[in-house]
Amino acid sequence: EAGVAQSPRYKIIEKRQSVAFWCNPISGHATLYWYQQILGQGPKLLIQFQNNGVVDDSQLPKDRFSAERLKGVDSTLKIQPAKLEDSAVYLCASSLGPARLNYGYTFGSGTRLTVV
Amino acid sequence: AQSVSQHNHHVILSEAASLELGCNYSYGGTVNLFWYVQYPGQHLQLLLKYFSGDPLVKGIKGFEAEFIKSKFSFNLRKPSVQWSDTAEYFCAAYYGNNRLAFGKGNQVVVIP
Repeated sequence: EAGVAQSPRYKIIEKRQSVAFWCNPISGHATLYWYQQILGQGPKLLIQFQNNGVVDDSQLPKDRFSAERLKGVDSTLKIQPAKLEDSAVYLCASSLGPARLNYGYTFGSGTRLTVV
Repeated sequence: AQSVSQHNHHVILSEAASLELGCNYSYGGTVNLFWYVQYPGQHLQLLLKYFSGDPLVKGIKGFEAEFIKSKFSFNLRKPSVQWSDTAEYFCAAYYGNNRLAFGKGNQVVVIP
């Protein structure tokens, strides 16, 4: 099966600029996640969607980050304005359902963001 | 807070050596445990997972992990590593709150 697609692979922007990332999950996967992985740390969940509804966005810095999944398939994550500390790899993952039901996650290759 | 701890962030070993990576999770009732691997330039891949049953779990590529409830541990092992095992390894725990908590990872370098 095709994997989770993410674009772009790399992005370099100046602080205070805006940036958007795109994710196309595996077909049929209802649950979609965005993670932030800062260098030297494990991935941290930013937001989880179940179809087109938000399940958990408690760790999303809502003053600058936003995400949507309008049709329950593709998703975009936006940062506006970016700060230096936003430099990280942004991972998208999808699953058939919540992890507690024994559904595994499939991760995309990520977008590496560098804010200068 | 629900958290996962991994120690010895950087591990360097020779081919054929044995590997053991420690993982401890904080208590939170029923927990599901995972090990993920990230090869250079590639995405995170699931190595193995534990939900219930036999505490010794076998995964792909000769890896195994043992769930020890009394120690809140889920250590990863491989008896004989290969150069191709050079990667970053992440332990993760799911506490049923829709959130997969990751450890900081172990960077493993296998010298041919």
